[in-house]
Amino acid sequence: DTAVSQTPKYLVTQMGNDKSIKCEQNLGHDTMYWYKQDSKKFLKIMFSYNNKELIINETVPNRFSPKSPDKAHLNLHINSLELGDSAVYFCASSQEALREVNRGKLFFGSGTQLSVL
Amino acid sequence: GQQLNQSPQSMFIQEGEDVSMNCTSSSIFNTWLWYKQDPGEGPVLLIALYKAGELTSNGRLTAQFGITRKDSFLNISASIPSDVGIYFCVLFMDSNYQLIWGAGTKLIIKP
Repeated sequence: DTAVSQTPKYLVTQMGNDKSIKCEQNLGHDTMYWYKQDSKKFLKIMFSYNNKELIINETVPNRFSPKSPDKAHLNLHINSLELGDSAVYFCASSQEALREVNRGKLFFGSGTQLSVL
Repeated sequence: GQQLNQSPQSMFIQEGEDVSMNCTSSSIFNTWLWYKQDPGEGPVLLIALYKAGELTSNGRLTAQFGITRKDSFLNISASIPSDVGIYFCVLFMDSNYQLIWGAGTKLIIKP
């Protein structure tokens, strides 16, 4: 069983559309994340979320919104897609918020390659 | 802001060669991590370093947390084809529990 799974693997869409990427983790982790990886492979945190708080990277446009129906899921909804949104989006999870002995230990999904035409 | 420099940007090596890459930071940190990203996949944690001077091995991989707490290196011995990918050094910020990712070292093995 895949620990962190996200769908779809590939998403091709037109500019202006609204789309969602789904993420599920079966590790029993409390905290989930969304990362964006650009064409130069640079990884940038977008959101971190647990049942207590949502931390948003202030550089993320408000067209992006995380939605968590329960602890095991964190979906990413994107409104009014733009060309610059094309990238690979990764979901990740960790046990608690990277504190103490678990600090730094993230488990990633295999990514969703978003192409906006 | 914090600066994290990772080098080299890419490496072209022959199978069987040893590999070395490193990261330096502008500030002192208490946790250094090394992740590997295979093509088409998400990053996977290889080694976590929590103590200055710590030397840790994971199979053919060895990583060290510099004594100054401002640098770390990752060595791969006797490289094999499945070692190809991007290696990231990552810092953990105690102040806000955030991670700072290096730009990555792309490892390519020449046929």
